[in-house]
Amino acid sequence: LAKTTQPISMDSYEGQEVNITCSHNNIATNDYITWYQQFPSQGPRFIIQGYKTKVTNEVASLFIPADRKSSTLSLPRVSLSDTAVYYCLVGEGGNTDKLIFGTGTRLQVFP
Amino acid sequence: DADVTQTPRNRITKTGKRIMLECSQTKGHDRMYWYRQDPGLGLRLIYYSFDVKDINKGEISDGYSVSRQAQAKFSLSLESAIPNQTALYFCAAPQEGGQFFGPGTRLTVL
Repeated sequence: LAKTTQPISMDSYEGQEVNITCSHNNIATNDYITWYQQFPSQGPRFIIQGYKTKVTNEVASLFIPADRKSSTLSLPRVSLSDTAVYYCLVGEGGNTDKLIFGTGTRLQVFP
Repeated sequence: DADVTQTPRNRITKTGKRIMLECSQTKGHDRMYWYRQDPGLGLRLIYYSFDVKDINKGEISDGYSVSRQAQAKFSLSLESAIPNQTALYFCAAPQEGGQFFGPGTRLTVL
């Protein structure tokens, strides 16, 4: 399972775009990249998953360069309610049995 | 969503006591998972189950046991609780792209 590295924390202001980058140098061919969001005292919530290039859904975009050794979660126009910890996970596509959580990135959004 | 529920939501107990945490899911998933989370850290996998008769150890299974009484239910037991098992415990079930986590149980062992 590929190890991931993320910044420990980030600050932003309401209305700004936030980009959180995750490094996963040892990603395997079959690995997908998945991001979760966690609020205090709640379980993590799935945000987005991708394999290559760009994936977009109603809450975020995920950018994955051609070498797939990193990925960037992009949150457009953040609000105070986006204050949370964001986890980047790498694992074999379809195999959700061995999710490995790092310490995540703590995003603080200010008014 | 997998519609995962956990009971109790909060529990305070004493060292040496036996504790059981319950988890239920309503979507008929074969797989279920138990994690613990310590302050400031990510979740760590304790046990997971592929079906009623298939139980697997995760990263930190020592001091814990599980029971899959039915497809919908997956219980986590601490046979003799110790203070360093004080943590948030999450149960999860599969969802598209990953796992859906329950609301968690905050366990304090005094």
